[in-house]
Amino acid sequence: GAVVSQHPSRVICKSGTSVKIECRSLDFQATTMFWYRQFPKQSLMLMATSNEGSKATYEQGVEKDKFLINHASLTLSTLTVTSAHPEDSSFYICSFIAAHTDTQYFGPGTRLTVL
Amino acid sequence: QKEVEQNSGPLSVPEGAIASLNCTYSDRVSQSFFWYRQYSGKSPELIMSIYSNGDKEDGRFTAQLNKASQYVSLLIRDSQPSDSATYLCAFKAAGNKLTFGGGTRVLVKP
Repeated sequence: GAVVSQHPSRVICKSGTSVKIECRSLDFQATTMFWYRQFPKQSLMLMATSNEGSKATYEQGVEKDKFLINHASLTLSTLTVTSAHPEDSSFYICSFIAAHTDTQYFGPGTRLTVL
Repeated sequence: QKEVEQNSGPLSVPEGAIASLNCTYSDRVSQSFFWYRQYSGKSPELIMSIYSNGDKEDGRFTAQLNKASQYVSLLIRDSQPSDSATYLCAFKAAGNKLTFGGGTRVLVKP
């Protein structure tokens, strides 16, 4: 069964609004989680690494003030897209590496459409 | 040069045939390599991981790694229409980050 859940699976919002995406690990405690973005017909691009209890590390070119990440517990990380614009429309996917393994588990993804 | 190179395809394969996917990478330090399958509109799912030179088989899938040539491949035997998807090659870089290739789209025709 699924080990990572994301909510919502799909969201449509107006330009200028903020959207929060939740990512939960169901069977594992995740000290590190990852947030990816995937535009149509492109590969996954890592946005940031989320560490429990500390600030997220953002990849070059990703605005930390626009994509707010909170990893407050070992089972929950949230990504908030602030003041979303149409160019933020994308497929957002979280993942984590289970402790003592090398396997990265992906959530089912959230399709964001900004009108 | 991209860190991970894959032919975007589509790779069209008759049902029952072998699909052969290739991937080259630029990071000589990486020790962990992965193949993921991604259906349209879905997130990636892990098919295979490989860490040592040579072949690794799992069911109808065989991964091959050649670190000297910085090359990893995936063979899908007895291809089925349900294998039609995009296959992503990835390696693990520093900090447990995965670096993905652009993916190869595979179409298995009945």
